[in-house]
Amino acid sequence: DGGITQSPKYLFRKEGQNVTLSCEQNLNHDAMYWYRQDPGQGLRLIYYSQIVNDFQKGDIAEGYSVSREKKESFPLTVTSAQKNPTAFYLCASSITTPTGQDEQYFGPGTRLTVT
Amino acid sequence: GIQVEQSPPDLILQEGANSTLRCNFSDSVNNLQWFHQNPWGQLINLFYIPSGTKQNGRLSATTVATERYSLLYISSSQTTDSGVYFCAVAGNFNKFYFGSGTKLNVKP
Repeated sequence: DGGITQSPKYLFRKEGQNVTLSCEQNLNHDAMYWYRQDPGQGLRLIYYSQIVNDFQKGDIAEGYSVSREKKESFPLTVTSAQKNPTAFYLCASSITTPTGQDEQYFGPGTRLTVT
Repeated sequence: GIQVEQSPPDLILQEGANSTLRCNFSDSVNNLQWFHQNPWGQLINLFYIPSGTKQNGRLSATTVATERYSLLYISSSQTTDSGVYFCAVAGNFNKFYFGSGTKLNVKP
């Protein structure tokens, strides 16, 4: 059945290691997004991609990298340059409505803990 | 970027009560969505509502884009309505900005 999957649900890493979070969608959506959520806060945009092989930085891109080689996949790498990587990471994809705007749908998220 | 303010930040209700959640935004937007985040962190789409009024069961939403606000109404609240409600807006390039949310606790 259709949806957005993120794996793993929980991820633990040692400080100084890069880690890649997976996001896959089978909804045939063109655009995909990565957000970070800290406890008690709203979501902040890390990167987004409106089409394959193209992506743009969001408001907090430093210390993160992405790729968009396939329409279905938008992996996020949290590098050792990210100072406070422990957070809840949410991936979304969006469909363009008849009025030309995008309606987002979210995956279940990955909780990353770095010690 | 677009500033998004949600009020109230916290809300406690008795089951059966009604409530209104507000979302103010600082610039003109082409896109506005309301989400409910459940205790497991999943964001559930409630409404895509850049303007006008929509209803879905006990929930309804109104966006007055010219005055830069949106309202989410919850009627006859149930314990399963508990969680955090987020408003998200976007301007011309589908770059989304989220508010800090309203945390709702419905008591039995």
